[in-house]
Amino acid sequence: GDSVTQMEGPVTLSEEAFLTINCTYTATGYPSLFWYVQYPGEGLQLLLKATKADDKGSNKGFEATYRKETTSFHLEKGSVQVSDSAVYFCALPHAGGTSYGKLTFGQGTILTVHP
Amino acid sequence: GAGVSQTPSNKVTEKGKYVELRCDPISGHTALYWYRQSLGQGPEFLIYFQGTGAADDSGLPNDRFFAVRPEGSVSTLKIQRTERGDSAVYLCASSRAGEQFFGPGTRLTVL
Repeated sequence: GDSVTQMEGPVTLSEEAFLTINCTYTATGYPSLFWYVQYPGEGLQLLLKATKADDKGSNKGFEATYRKETTSFHLEKGSVQVSDSAVYFCALPHAGGTSYGKLTFGQGTILTVHP
Repeated sequence: GAGVSQTPSNKVTEKGKYVELRCDPISGHTALYWYRQSLGQGPEFLIYFQGTGAADDSGLPNDRFFAVRPEGSVSTLKIQRTERGDSAVYLCASSRAGEQFFGPGTRLTVL
């Protein structure tokens, strides 16, 4: 079945450091891919998405490129800020396709950024 | 406008008791989802409603779990004979054939 694997966490960085959070997936077909973020005390929010191979999703300085060859969707940011401290989840909809169906999430990566 | 709301925000109960968790979706959103998030894990799908009907309940772990959405808006997740393993954050999301918007969750603790 469909699955998502995220890099082991937590991740601790200094402000302005480069961030990479790895995500790989197993799915039928070529589904849309998402990154969600959960800030402390808040609900899950969609951070960015990509709907087809080679698409690059971007938002708030974060980027992720849909790599069909390596079934990956790694999240990157060139210069993190303290306000980026949160839990990040990679996710894909079930049964492939581009529809926003029920989601399968990775286990989450806790990011802590120090001043 | 208002986002997805969930009540209560916290619920502590004893093993064997019955609990109800409520979700108020964004107005006009026809799709509603329930997920369960255990400590240190990502959310796991439980059930999905399209309108009043459960379109997919394949994630419900056993027959102690049941959910309803009688008027196609508010939904209630019901758990009978709670067990300690049911302790988790229960998340609700709604959508209008697009992005899912999540509520803040209900933290359920079964003692």
